[in-house]
Amino acid sequence: EVQLVESGGGLVQPGRSLRLSCEASGFIFDDYGMHWVRQTPEKGLEWVSGISSNSGNIVYADSVKGRFTISRDNAKNSLYLQMNSLRDEDTALYYCAKDAVLQQQLVPDAFDFWGQGTMVTVSS
Amino acid sequence: DIQLTQSPSFLSASVGDRVTITCRASQGISRYLAWYQQKPGKAPKLLIYVASTLQIGVPSRFSGSGSGTEFTLTINSLQPEDFAIYLCQQLKTYPLTFGGGTKVEIK
Repeated sequence: EVQLVESGGGLVQPGRSLRLSCEASGFIFDDYGMHWVRQTPEKGLEWVSGISSNSGNIVYADSVKGRFTISRDNAKNSLYLQMNSLRDEDTALYYCAKDAVLQQQLVPDAFDFWGQGTMVTVSS
Repeated sequence: DIQLTQSPSFLSASVGDRVTITCRASQGISRYLAWYQQKPGKAPKLLIYVASTLQIGVPSRFSGSGSGTEFTLTINSLQPEDFAIYLCQQLKTYPLTFGGGTKVEIK
């Protein structure tokens, strides 16, 4: 059974940092690209960042480029999101999601599994 | 960025009804569109990808169609467990984007 479990969310002041983790199980982690997606009631779902299976391809939304860094440790079946210089507008529920396509590139057809999400609140 | 506009944003329907939701893209995305179902407090669940391919385990009353800029999700014979929010996602171009959602409620 595929499982994605996020952790690391919490309350943080603007300008500070936070690191999210996503532990994967139930599939061969290093065969699939992975993504972070966030959700707020106001803006809905927003794709944040993606990383290919071998970390060779990495993409970011403009809203987080230069502040967030996605990475993965295939030996630990884990995905990470380092979030620096956090802003109020980064407040959201953050999901990690698995690419549905077994590939080394980052050209997904869909996200076939999602974690339960970890909440990030940026507030002074 | 490619904008996805879903319509309607809300619909009220009865068990057994046939429901159709539309997703329009601001530019052509071929068939790189996925549909998800989301229930309160839960993550999105993949229903359909590449516009019309049913994800394994999803009931056959769900179907998708379209290409280019206009896509539809149809639910035949709506069941009680289908009352949820439905979202489309384009995967043609980064940044990947989602529609605003369609909430399907019980009439």
